[in-house]
Amino acid sequence: AQKVTQAQTEISVVEKEDVTLDCVYETRDTTYYLFWYKQPPSGELVFLIRRNSFDEQNEISGRYSWNFQKSTSSFNFTITASQVVDSAVYFCALRRPNYGQNFVFGPGTRLSVLP
Amino acid sequence: DGGITQSPKYLFRKEGQNVTLSCEQNLNHDAMYWYRQDPGQGLRLIYYSQIVNDFQKGDIAEGYSVSREKKESFPLTVTSAQKNPTAFYLCASSVSGDYNEQFFGPGTRLTVL
Repeated sequence: AQKVTQAQTEISVVEKEDVTLDCVYETRDTTYYLFWYKQPPSGELVFLIRRNSFDEQNEISGRYSWNFQKSTSSFNFTITASQVVDSAVYFCALRRPNYGQNFVFGPGTRLSVLP
Repeated sequence: DGGITQSPKYLFRKEGQNVTLSCEQNLNHDAMYWYRQDPGQGLRLIYYSQIVNDFQKGDIAEGYSVSREKKESFPLTVTSAQKNPTAFYLCASSVSGDYNEQFFGPGTRLTVL
């Protein structure tokens, strides 16, 4: 069975602090895809990044970086020098190939960045 | 601008009434999806459609129905059989293919009184 765990329900940091959001997944598939989405207070999910199971390179995009480790089934997300605008709920998701292209979402981590 | 629209943003209904949530996309995506989000929980798949006139049940389809008569439209009906319909409903679409991300609409918050 596929499952995504985000153990941190809520995190609060002060602006300019670095913060890491954890994501652990379970799947028996050898090919799979991992995603991160941001849900600001408006409610609409915004796509941040995707990674396939054969690409373990870490990625950096501005203040955002992602660490993918197959050995520990983790796909963690780090925000450097956090800003108030980063306050949102962040979801990690696993896509199940050959199953209608749909996703299994984690429960989300609510990040609050305080000024 | 290309995107996904959902209307209305907020919807109130009396218990026992059916209600239909609208979802329209102009991204020319083949696949469309409906998710339900409850407070403190992730998204759960209700129905999805990979092509016009075809759709499949997701993990929590009971009490819901959909149609896909046009590529750009995927309305969701919450029937009176849904025992706990109050939730935030999100529609999404994507290009076909496992690697492609889903694009989401702004959501509809349904409250059943």
